[in-house]
Amino acid sequence: AQSVTQPDIHITVSEGASLELRCNYSYGATPYLFWYVQSPGQGLQLLLKYFSGDTLVQGIKGFEAEFKRSQSSFNLRKPSVHWSDAAEYFCAVGDAGGTSYGKLTFGQGTILTVHP
Amino acid sequence: IAGITQAPTSQILAAGRRMTLRCTQDMRHNAMYWYRQDLGLGLRLIHYSNTAGTTGKGEVPDGYSVSRANTDDFPLTLASAVPSQTSVYFCASSTGRNQPQHFGDGTRLSIL
Repeated sequence: AQSVTQPDIHITVSEGASLELRCNYSYGATPYLFWYVQSPGQGLQLLLKYFSGDTLVQGIKGFEAEFKRSQSSFNLRKPSVHWSDAAEYFCAVGDAGGTSYGKLTFGQGTILTVHP
Repeated sequence: IAGITQAPTSQILAAGRRMTLRCTQDMRHNAMYWYRQDLGLGLRLIHYSNTAGTTGKGEVPDGYSVSRANTDDFPLTLASAVPSQTSVYFCASSTGRNQPQHFGDGTRLSIL
């Protein structure tokens, strides 16, 4: 069965600092990978997705993620964090096979706090 | 604005009562999903629907039922609510397999 691990429950960075959120997945074939962001009281918003091709994926709000098959990782990065980036971030892997027609398995989430 | 509408936004419910959470999308997406979100556990899939007329069980289906009579609506029913079903419930939809899912704003449900 597919699974996703986000090792960091909570990360604190200073505004303007760089950011990397870790995501490791377990999946038998080429995964479909996503990063979502959730602001308090809101639903999830898609930041970026990886299906195939270039392993460095650009997303919205200045985020990018790199797919590394050898490490089973899909880490999210941003070169300079803004106070508005404070939120909870979820990594997810898609189910490419089976009968569940694209259900997502989510990691536990990483809460990002940004200090001024 | 196209998207997913969930109702109610929040609800406090006595244990043993029946409750239906509503979800409507206007994007004509084939696939729809119900997740529950609990602290430290991320989002877990309750039920899904590939297309109108079909449904399937997710990771945590016990105590919940769904129906998909048409493309737009995907209600989630708690037949007899229990305190462990206190959670935030999200409905989502997508155009198909491994396409990005669009989420509603959630229903915060408290079972007392």
